[in-house]
Amino acid sequence: SQQGEEDPQALSIQEGENATMNCSYKTSINNLQWYRQNSGRGLVHLILIRSNEREKHSGRLRVTLDTSKKSSSLLITASRAADTASYFCATDEGQAGTALIFGKGTTLSVSS
Amino acid sequence: GAVVSQHPSWVICKSGTSVKIECRSLDFQATTMFWYRQFPKQSLMLMATSNEGSKATYEQGVEKDKFLINHASLTLSTLTVTSAHPEDSSFYICSAPTPGTTIDEQYFGPGTRLTVT
Repeated sequence: SQQGEEDPQALSIQEGENATMNCSYKTSINNLQWYRQNSGRGLVHLILIRSNEREKHSGRLRVTLDTSKKSSSLLITASRAADTASYFCATDEGQAGTALIFGKGTTLSVSS
Repeated sequence: GAVVSQHPSWVICKSGTSVKIECRSLDFQATTMFWYRQFPKQSLMLMATSNEGSKATYEQGVEKDKFLINHASLTLSTLTVTSAHPEDSSFYICSAPTPGTTIDEQYFGPGTRLTVT
């Protein structure tokens, strides 16, 4: 079953703009992760945020986690055409080493 | 970081034939590996958990007799799609959790694209 639900399903922006994607989940978690997938390719791990963390940064990425609302957001600042991809959040179900449950994903299109 | 490989990266087979996909952990031992399936324009769905030395556990709706999983060693899990049909055409991805640490990252293979004609 799918745990996460991303919002929006699709997002089109211009280069230089910021892109925000949201993810909601249903159960308690140990951590939440964000992945990128270029069309037809494998997953690229972007960032992991633990359940006791509220915000995390990595380069142009900023992730927030609100466990009370069971939601997370991924912000990509100063987007580039190369950021065009699908983005997925993924959660465990509160136990380390278990399978990840993926959200439906947000398809981001950045035009130059 | 840890590396997981998959072979083949893509395969085309005829309906009714069987296809084997390998997932290897290259620089660590994986007692557990996970197999996911991704249909076009959809998300990854967990199919089964592969356990070294014991039977795989399958998610609801996944036919264990059709998708045979063998965790032959601590570095190799195989997924065999038996009597493949066009509806089995999908992207199959394996992963293994970080071994022996408290870090909860999973290492994903690059995926295998299966096309059944």
